[in-house]
Amino acid sequence: DIVMTQSPDSLAVPLGERAIINCKSSQSVSYSSNNKNYLAWYRQKPGQPPELLIYWASTRESGVPDRFSGSGSGTDFTLTISSLQAEDVAVYYCQQYYSSPLTFGGGTKVEIK
Amino acid sequence: QVQLVESGGGVVQPGTSLRLSCAASGFTFNTYAMHWVRQAPGKGLEWVGLISYDGSNKDYADSVKGRFTISRDNSKNTLSLQMNSLRPEDTAMYYCARSLYSNTWYGGPPPSWGQGTLVTVSS
Repeated sequence: DIVMTQSPDSLAVPLGERAIINCKSSQSVSYSSNNKNYLAWYRQKPGQPPELLIYWASTRESGVPDRFSGSGSGTDFTLTISSLQAEDVAVYYCQQYYSSPLTFGGGTKVEIK
Repeated sequence: QVQLVESGGGVVQPGTSLRLSCAASGFTFNTYAMHWVRQAPGKGLEWVGLISYDGSNKDYADSVKGRFTISRDNSKNTLSLQMNSLRPEDTAMYYCARSLYSNTWYGGPPPSWGQGTLVTVSS
């Protein structure tokens, strides 16, 4: 199984500042045949189901604000929130869909400082 | 818009069975693969399994393989999760989720999720 490791476990950022979350996979989640990274990011607000933010490592899902961006390839990925808003208080998860079983990172809790 | 409504959760004893359902609407159900994902109280997300859009292919996490069965009724726009030999560690909120792309086996990561149904396994 591919193990997804997120860092940090939690972070507190002032409103309007940048938040950066890292995700590392135990093996590459990139297919050379199509040059795609099978990596997604989700936001889960308290008491809510997860919301897909990013897929293919850097493609924003429809309706997701452009303050969210994803980058990285192979085994190292980053989710950046360029200007943290109050509604971004949540737990963020990365997920690989390169191979079965699909696996999630342990989550990063983002709070307002 | 896409709507997914899970039902069937509850409190059950270890070793017993439970069947969850997910009613889908707002999209062409029989063209999308569907996932089950669970979340133990206060913990992270765990993928449970997946069924292809036509039900011909299924895949499961090792933790549930041989105990859980995913099925679908495309005539009723309903997804099901039959859970047998339940264990305390199966206690979780269970979410159904629709895949991103239609007419493909895995269909990519799910953008649409239900609100979940809570399963508690306890004596």
